[in-house]
Amino acid sequence: ETGVTQTPRHLVMGMTNKKSLKCEQHLGHNAMYWYKQSAKKPLELMFVYSLEERVENNSVPSRFSPECPNSSHLFLHLHTLQPEDSALYLCASSQEGTPTDTQYFGPGTRLTVL
Amino acid sequence: AQKITQTQPGMFVQEKEAVTLDCTYDTSDQSYGLFWYKQPSSGEMIFLIYQGSYDEQNATEGRYSLNFQKARKSANLVISASQLGDSAMYFCAMSETSYDKVIFGPGTSLSVIP
Repeated sequence: ETGVTQTPRHLVMGMTNKKSLKCEQHLGHNAMYWYKQSAKKPLELMFVYSLEERVENNSVPSRFSPECPNSSHLFLHLHTLQPEDSALYLCASSQEGTPTDTQYFGPGTRLTVL
Repeated sequence: AQKITQTQPGMFVQEKEAVTLDCTYDTSDQSYGLFWYKQPSSGEMIFLIYQGSYDEQNATEGRYSLNFQKARKSANLVISASQLGDSAMYFCAMSETSYDKVIFGPGTSLSVIP
């Protein structure tokens, strides 16, 4: 496996379900990110982890809970989501997490909340 | 206020022709970075090219070049010899040292016509 991988690629869940999105990077990077991409809206940064510590949380609702057990893995735990949370969730990684670092993205998870 | 503006929601180009995708940005930082990403219908965000604000030469990567005009705060992407596989959404993004994150523009949809 190379680059950044995300599973599952597609997820449909009810508002009372609990699910998790997984991201894994094979690039030896130290920073990982979660983004939300809704239709007709710019990419929204949700969370940033650098060396497994959260350094950015853009006022994301608590129904989204990130977890970074090590520098290669990043999870996004989902519970009691709303239909407006339906979107493409993209994971990215970069070498150090500095602003000028190039971020490399995974293929995304297409989430539909019923 | 929009930090990144991409004024062309949709563009068409004939195969083998060159195309320019516009991007203007707003920042008061002296040090910043500019990125272009491609997002095909599969959803993955693919890094194309990077330009640092202090780079004196325009960045080039294969068929991609960045027309960087610092005084006008523009960072247009030029794709030469368009191919059918270039059909995708293209996002311009900026990182500022005073804000520890990358901001994405709304994107331009490019369609390459055979």
